[in-house]
Amino acid sequence: GAVVSQHPSWVICKSGTSVKIECRSLDFQATTMFWYRQFPKQSLMLMATSNEGSKATYEQGVEKDKFLINHASLTLSTLTVTSAHPEDSSFYICSASRQYDTEAFFGQGTRLTVV
Amino acid sequence: QKEVEQNSGPLSVPEGAIASLNCTYSDRVSQSFFWYRQYSGKSPELIMSIYSNGDKEDGRFTAQLNKASQYVSLLIRDSQPSDSATYLCAVNNRHGDTGRRALTFGSGTRLQVQP
Repeated sequence: GAVVSQHPSWVICKSGTSVKIECRSLDFQATTMFWYRQFPKQSLMLMATSNEGSKATYEQGVEKDKFLINHASLTLSTLTVTSAHPEDSSFYICSASRQYDTEAFFGQGTRLTVV
Repeated sequence: QKEVEQNSGPLSVPEGAIASLNCTYSDRVSQSFFWYRQYSGKSPELIMSIYSNGDKEDGRFTAQLNKASQYVSLLIRDSQPSDSATYLCAVNNRHGDTGRRALTFGSGTRLQVQP
């Protein structure tokens, strides 16, 4: 149990275009989903927290208009990187948990390259 | 700023030895602690969770928690070359102005097990 599927696993896009990343909890209902970004040789940095049916909560320094998060159901959250630029190239990872104070399970990650 | 500190390593141990990974955290009210393993280019994989003071054993892994010292560690017995990875310590604490809970990750310790 506790499988989180993230899609796509990698994507290359042109500068100025938008990219959508999906995160699904396959065998449990995720009360909360989290989006992280990881640059090479650095740790995971939390971008935002989303709860089903409500607006995402963004961490300081993360542009909510650039990184659009939708948590439409208890099993699906999406992250859309709008007007992507080369500096947005990174490894984006989602995680999901059943409730607060429990372990989070990670998707496979999406490697975004903006050219 | 809620911080989680880890020695970046690399920590090099011979095959069959015990690897000891350490982590300190700054948020005194944290209640949930996790160790994740991350292979290069992959997303983190949960190894252990620990919620109360003392030791918790699972196979070759033992997590140790000391809340008074704000210290959590992971011991890997009979280390194998396949254990070579980056080990991330994570603490569940409140983020941002709304106080929502999410995992804060340390920068990770790179473990190398020499055959």
